[in-house]
Amino acid sequence: EIQLVESGGDLVQPGGSLRLSCAASGFSFSTYSMNWVRQAPGKGPEWVSHISSSSSIIYYADSVKGRFTVSRDNAKNSLYLQMNSLRDEDTAVYYCAPTGKILGTMGYWGQGTLVTVSS
Amino acid sequence: DIVMTQTPLSSPVTLGQPASISCRSSQSLVHSDGNTYLSWLQQRPGQPPRLLIYKISNRFSGVPDRFSGSGTGTDFTLKISRVEAEDVGVYYCVQTAQFPHTFGQGTTLEIK
Repeated sequence: EIQLVESGGDLVQPGGSLRLSCAASGFSFSTYSMNWVRQAPGKGPEWVSHISSSSSIIYYADSVKGRFTVSRDNAKNSLYLQMNSLRDEDTAVYYCAPTGKILGTMGYWGQGTLVTVSS
Repeated sequence: DIVMTQTPLSSPVTLGQPASISCRSSQSLVHSDGNTYLSWLQQRPGQPPRLLIYKISNRFSGVPDRFSGSGTGTDFTLKISRVEAEDVGVYYCVQTAQFPHTFGQGTTLEIK
């Protein structure tokens, strides 16, 4: 069974930093591209970042470029998101989701981790 | 960026009746590999999104056959043949043909 468990969400002040983690199991993590997607309260999902299986290709949404850094550790089946210079508008539930080769999209989602940016 | 526009934004439906949601993209979603990367997600209240349909018309594992997808290029449709109570939630189309991946605004399906 495919499982994705996000963690690291917390209440943080504007300008602060946070590191999110995603523990993956039940599939060959090292062969899948991964994404971070967030969802602000009452809003639709917003794609945040993508990292290829070997970490050679990385993309960010303009809204987080220069502030967030995605990384992965294939030996630990883990995905990370380092979030710096946090803003109020970064408040959201953050999900990790693999891009399935056959699906061509984000087929599996974890329960997410809540990041609240507030003073 | 590709803009995804869904209509309607709200859809009150009687149980057992059909429902239809449209999604239009501002650019073609046909990838250079020949596939069209348009998918549909369902989000029930308090739950994470769940994949229903991928590459326009392919039902994901475990998705009931009352859900179907169709369309080409820039115009796509999700249909529910007979709405059941468990179908209540918000439906999103999403394109993964290019980065940034983008989502539609969402369509809220509610029971009349």
